Amino acid sequence: DQQVKQNSPSLSVQEGRISILNCDYTNSMFDYFLWYKKYPAEGPTFLISISSIKDKNEDGRFTVFLNKSAKHLSLHIVPSQPGDSAVYFCAASRAAGNKLTFGGGTRVLVKP
Amino acid sequence: EPEVTQTPSHQVTQMGQEVILRCVPISNHLYFYWYRQILGQKVEFLVSFYNNEISEKSEIFDDQFSVERPDGSNFTLKIRSTKLEDSAMYFCASSEESGSYNSPLHFGNGTRLTVT
Repeated sequence: DQQVKQNSPSLSVQEGRISILNCDYTNSMFDYFLWYKKYPAEGPTFLISISSIKDKNEDGRFTVFLNKSAKHLSLHIVPSQPGDSAVYFCAASRAAGNKLTFGGGTRVLVKP
Repeated sequence: EPEVTQTPSHQVTQMGQEVILRCVPISNHLYFYWYRQILGQKVEFLVSFYNNEISEKSEIFDDQFSVERPDGSNFTLKIRSTKLEDSAMYFCASSEESGSYNSPLHFGNGTRLTVT
C-alpha cells in the first residue's frame, strides 16, 4: 500500500536547528492528515494534524504544511531538541471515519 | 493523562494456537481500533469497532480474526489459528469521536506477538 509515503527513512539534525519531515500521498480522497511520534517500546503518540481545507497548522514548536495540489505535507520542528529523537509517522484519513493510512516513518536523531 | 493499556506486552505462541490480545481503551472513548506493524513494515489498519459492532475492516482481517468488547472496559482481538506471518506488534487505539481530526486516535504501547 503506497498511498502514503515518507521517502526519507532517517534524518539527523543538530539541536536548535529545524527538522523538516516530508510526506506524499496519492489518494485525493484523503481529508485529514496527522503526524504521530513514536518512541521505542511505545505506541504512536498524536502530535499535530491538519484538515484539507487548511494549508498550515501550528502548535508550539511543530508546524504542519499541506500542499493539496502537490499532494504533499511536511512537518517542521523548530527548534529541534534531543527529546524529539523518535520515529515520526505521517498518516491520512478520509472525512467519514478514523481509519488511518500510515507512511513508513522517518527516524529523527537530534544531536546535542 | 488517560492511557490505552494493552496486555500482555509480549506473547509467544505456537503456530495453530489461538491467542487473545487485550486492551483497555480510554474510559470515555466510543471508537476502538486494532492496528498492527510487522517488523520493518508500515503500521496497518485491521479493524474499527463502534457500538458493539465492526464498523470497518481491512483485507487482513479475515475469518481468523475477531474482536469483542466483553464488558464495559475491555476490547479484545482474537486470532483463532495463528500463522507465522501473524508475528507483529499489535496496537490497540481508541478515540472519542469518528471522522474528526480533533479527535485523534490514542494508541496503546502494543503487544508483540511472536508465532513460532
